[in-house]
Amino acid sequence: AQSVTQPDIHITVSEGASLELRCNYSYGATPYLFWYVQSPGQGLQLLLKYFSGDTLVQGIKGFEAEFKRSQSSFNLRKPSVHWSDAAEYFCAVGQAGRRALTFGSGTRLQVQP
Amino acid sequence: GAGVSQTPSNKVTEKGKYVELRCDPISGHTALYWYRQSLGQGPEFLIYFQGTGAADDSGLPNDRFFAVRPEGSVSTLKIQRTERGDSAVYLCASSSPPGTPSTDTQYFGPGTRLTVL
Repeated sequence: AQSVTQPDIHITVSEGASLELRCNYSYGATPYLFWYVQSPGQGLQLLLKYFSGDTLVQGIKGFEAEFKRSQSSFNLRKPSVHWSDAAEYFCAVGQAGRRALTFGSGTRLQVQP
Repeated sequence: GAGVSQTPSNKVTEKGKYVELRCDPISGHTALYWYRQSLGQGPEFLIYFQGTGAADDSGLPNDRFFAVRPEGSVSTLKIQRTERGDSAVYLCASSSPPGTPSTDTQYFGPGTRLTVL
């Protein structure tokens, strides 16, 4: 069965600093990988996704993520964080032929002024 | 509508009662998904519809949970004999038909917060 680990429950960064949120997955074949963001009282918004091809993917709001098969990782990065980025971030994995996504437990990002 | 909508946004019920949660997917999306998100956790898959039929219901925790999508659009998640452990945010998502761009991308609604007292 596939699984997703987000090792950091809570991260605090200063506004303008760089950000990296970690995601490790367990799945035998090439996974479909996603990052979603959830603001309080809001639904999940898709930031970016990886299905195949270029392992560095660009998303909305200046986010990017890199798929590293050797490390089973799909870390999310942003060079300069804005206060509006404070939210909960979820990594998710899917697989070809099965629509159900498996989510990690999330990382809560706090941004200090 | 422009996005996935869910009603009600909040539902408070008593233990043992029956509840229905509604999801209206993005227009034209044939696939519909239900997830449950407990406090401090990521969403957990419950069931997936392609059209009117449940293509994968492997995530339903027990037979108290049931979902329908009779006309291939709106879906209702039904929970019988609710328990306090059913308290969570129930999320609905939809995606475009197979063979279309982004068919593997799920777009989520705001959720229904269910509280069982």
